[in-house]
Amino acid sequence: EADIYQTPRYLVIGTGKKITLECSQTMGHDKMYWYQQDPGMELHLIHYSYGVNSTEKGDLSSESTVSRIRTEHFPLTLESARPSHTSQYLCASTDGRAGGNIQYFGAGTRLSVL
Amino acid sequence: DQQVKQNSPSLSVQEGRISILNCDYTNSMFDYFLWYKKYPAEGPTFLISISSIKDKNEDGRFTVFLNKSAKHLSLHIVPSQPGDSAVYFCAASGNFGNEKLTFGTGTRLTIIP
Repeated sequence: EADIYQTPRYLVIGTGKKITLECSQTMGHDKMYWYQQDPGMELHLIHYSYGVNSTEKGDLSSESTVSRIRTEHFPLTLESARPSHTSQYLCASTDGRAGGNIQYFGAGTRLSVL
Repeated sequence: DQQVKQNSPSLSVQEGRISILNCDYTNSMFDYFLWYKKYPAEGPTFLISISSIKDKNEDGRFTVFLNKSAKHLSLHIVPSQPGDSAVYFCAASGNFGNEKLTFGTGTRLTIIP
């Protein structure tokens, strides 16, 4: 079973505020991911990291940024939140071993920007 | 262009019967396929996966079938239980070293007691 944690679970915030969504995993996984999901839609990859000091943008363009200073920690930051950022944000990790592309997900952060 | 498609947004099945969820893909470079289950306000939970070198993988009540020539996979749940009611996502990825997952839009399964 995976140990990956996201905080906060729910966040309601006003336009223009800076926010950081936290994601931590205790499995020592090198590879971590951030997805964005709107209701009834697929998960869209917005950022990923294959190790410390390595971050890449995903398939869906996002105004958010990420950092990977420690293996276990992969926070996502929005410098100035807007209503269009309202969505669910899901963090995942994998050890990426051959034959195992299984990504383990946190519980997600549901963000509402007013 | 959606590379992984789940054409049925919802499915209702009687408790005890078989649930069959379908998924189609277009990218022939995909060679690893996964099914996730998601409850509201929670993250997806891994259910079962299959490599492209196989055509079937079974784990308890869950079986995934892969038809590479048709670029189609399906998840069978038998017997269906009320706790199976959730949204099911199909996902696909490439070879080792390219583990990014591409997800379908999900199918909401409702098990009727």
